[in-house]
Amino acid sequence: ETGVTQTPRHLVMGMTNKKSLKCEQHLGHNAMYWYKQSAKKPLELMFVYNFKEQTENNSVPSRFSPECPNSSHLFLHLHTLQPEDSALYLCASSQDTGSDTEAFFGQGTRLTVV
Amino acid sequence: AQSVSQHNHHVILSEAASLELGCNYSYGGTVNLFWYVQYPGQHLQLLLKYFSGDPLVKGIKGFEAEFIKSKFSFNLRKPSVQWSDTAEYFCAVKGSTLGRLYFGRGTQLTVWP
Repeated sequence: ETGVTQTPRHLVMGMTNKKSLKCEQHLGHNAMYWYKQSAKKPLELMFVYNFKEQTENNSVPSRFSPECPNSSHLFLHLHTLQPEDSALYLCASSQDTGSDTEAFFGQGTRLTVV
Repeated sequence: AQSVSQHNHHVILSEAASLELGCNYSYGGTVNLFWYVQYPGQHLQLLLKYFSGDPLVKGIKGFEAEFIKSKFSFNLRKPSVQWSDTAEYFCAVKGSTLGRLYFGRGTQLTVWP
């Protein structure tokens, strides 16, 4: 257990569906992140939240919509996705966004878009 | 632009062999460096990190890494691998002025018993 819990672990959705990924951290951290892990590609940072405020959006398409209601919870709302969005979506948290803080990762949600 | 290169995509070794995984980065300023490991079916977890001080860093499970500033490298080593080291290894870099982690593509290590 890392202290970062993601649900669901697996998700299959059609291109017209709307679904949400959930991330919860029990580490008292103030920064949370969404990453996308695709086969044979580096982990791609999608969004950064620090003290509930979005501080970075890495040119992510609007069909991905993050939400951070408090420092412990992070959501990724999905709608009208494409098959190429199929990937492992990882949530991470760190004490803050300082350069000397390490990130703790959840186990990820394996998303398949059909 | 910042980037992290891991030269080996798949490494296959026998138990007790020595391991060295390469990692080079491009970033002009001060960096903090990390190696993460992802065992099959498990989450990414920190293996070791370098922030400052002794450039030879020791991590968990007998791994170590050496930061060579002049070569922009942070190679991971282990003198004698075990079957349980089979996993994917990711090098990551954080610049001192940027909060984001840049990851390499990962190296899949397979250790045969």
